[in-house]
Amino acid sequence: KAGVTQTPRYLIKTRGQQVTLSCSPISGHRSVSWYQQTPGQGLQFLFEYFSETQRNKGNFPGRFSGRQFSNSRSEMNVSTLELGDSALYLCASSLAPGLKPQHFGDGTRLSIL
Amino acid sequence: SQELEQSPQSLIVQEGKNLTINCTSSKTLYGLYWYKQKYGEGLIFLMMLQKGGEEKSHEKITAKLDEKKQQSSLHITASQPSHAGIYLCGAGSNNDMRFGAGTRLTVKP
Repeated sequence: KAGVTQTPRYLIKTRGQQVTLSCSPISGHRSVSWYQQTPGQGLQFLFEYFSETQRNKGNFPGRFSGRQFSNSRSEMNVSTLELGDSALYLCASSLAPGLKPQHFGDGTRLSIL
Repeated sequence: SQELEQSPQSLIVQEGKNLTINCTSSKTLYGLYWYKQKYGEGLIFLMMLQKGGEEKSHEKITAKLDEKKQQSSLHITASQPSHAGIYLCGAGSNNDMRFGAGTRLTVKP
């Protein structure tokens, strides 16, 4: 059974640009959560999607957004990139909200120049 | 919000030695998850503890949950270089999990 797949693995952008990251959950998993990991702040929750609806959102500015498609695949978008957005972005999936454990992908390493 | 504090922040042990990592919560723990991460990679699920007093083992790793102390411990017996990495504890009633800062483990051959 394939795990959580995130693309791309690495991305370099410049300030002011926008970026879209993709996550394909484990087959049959319908809940997808996104996290940001930085050396300073650690692993922080961004948002969670289930049945194409955002169920929960962390404390991040509106520049961070996401969506989920009918096949449970999810994308997150960051607009007007800032240097501080450089991070490892991790996606996790589970069967349904509250049904853990969450299984994580290998992440997308985003670097802002 | 729930805060998780891990100790120690980093640990260097000689291969074959035992070690313990602790995770303390600022709020009541309704479930505690342990993950391992290799640098720059995703989190690998290790164990899930849901009831006070629960103890689980997988290979040489044992985790316990002390609900009264709002604490969990992860114990590795006879450490090996393959155990090296960052260990993170996580908690949350839904899928908006909070994580500790992690414990970086180095195992010297």
